[in-house]
Amino acid sequence: GAVVSQHPSRVICKSGTSVKIECRSLDFQATTMFWYRQFPKQSLMLMATSNEGSKATYEQGVEKDKFLINHASLTLSTLTVTSAHPEDSSFYICSARKVSGDEQFFGPGTRLTVL
Amino acid sequence: DQQVKQNSPSLSVQEGRISILNCDYTNSMFDYFLWYKKYPAEGPTFLISISSIKDKNEDGRFTVFLNKSAKHLSLHIVPSQPGDSAVYFCAASYAPNTGNQFYFGTGTSLTVIP
Repeated sequence: GAVVSQHPSRVICKSGTSVKIECRSLDFQATTMFWYRQFPKQSLMLMATSNEGSKATYEQGVEKDKFLINHASLTLSTLTVTSAHPEDSSFYICSARKVSGDEQFFGPGTRLTVL
Repeated sequence: DQQVKQNSPSLSVQEGRISILNCDYTNSMFDYFLWYKKYPAEGPTFLISISSIKDKNEDGRFTVFLNKSAKHLSLHIVPSQPGDSAVYFCAASYAPNTGNQFYFGTGTSLTVIP
């Protein structure tokens, strides 16, 4: 199998606080993990690509100082939304690619609501 | 700049009939295409893929067709079942096995009517 988990599944926080979202590949090693966000009725938007042991590559328009990504091991990547604001409220989804293979396996997503 | 487009935001089909979901892309460099299925509040689930060296790939009730000259791919589901009701995203990427990102369409919400 290829299972990817995300924690937490849902988080509500106050404006100005930081939130950390974990993405884990449970039964395989992932050299590359991707972070997406999705607004209602819109496409998945790639935010950044992270490779284990190196700095993440951010897409144009995504603030790297606001969305901190750490890919410390072959099974764990974290996304920290720093100083969250209501406009950061969204559905955040991670995916992981196996060491060998083309497909991306997606986590269940994290619903972030910033009050 | 949306490089992968799904022009039909929604589709309704009667149970047992064929569902056809369409996807167009603009970048001729894309050579690997996938379809994902997504339920509300869940992550996408891989459905089927096709590389540019093929024009058809079939897996059970799901068939993906690729027309490279038209930069168009479609997903056929036959027969459609109520459990197929979900949002379907097509995605495209450059050369496989290089860790390159996927570009997603905006999704088509399929409703299969019992």
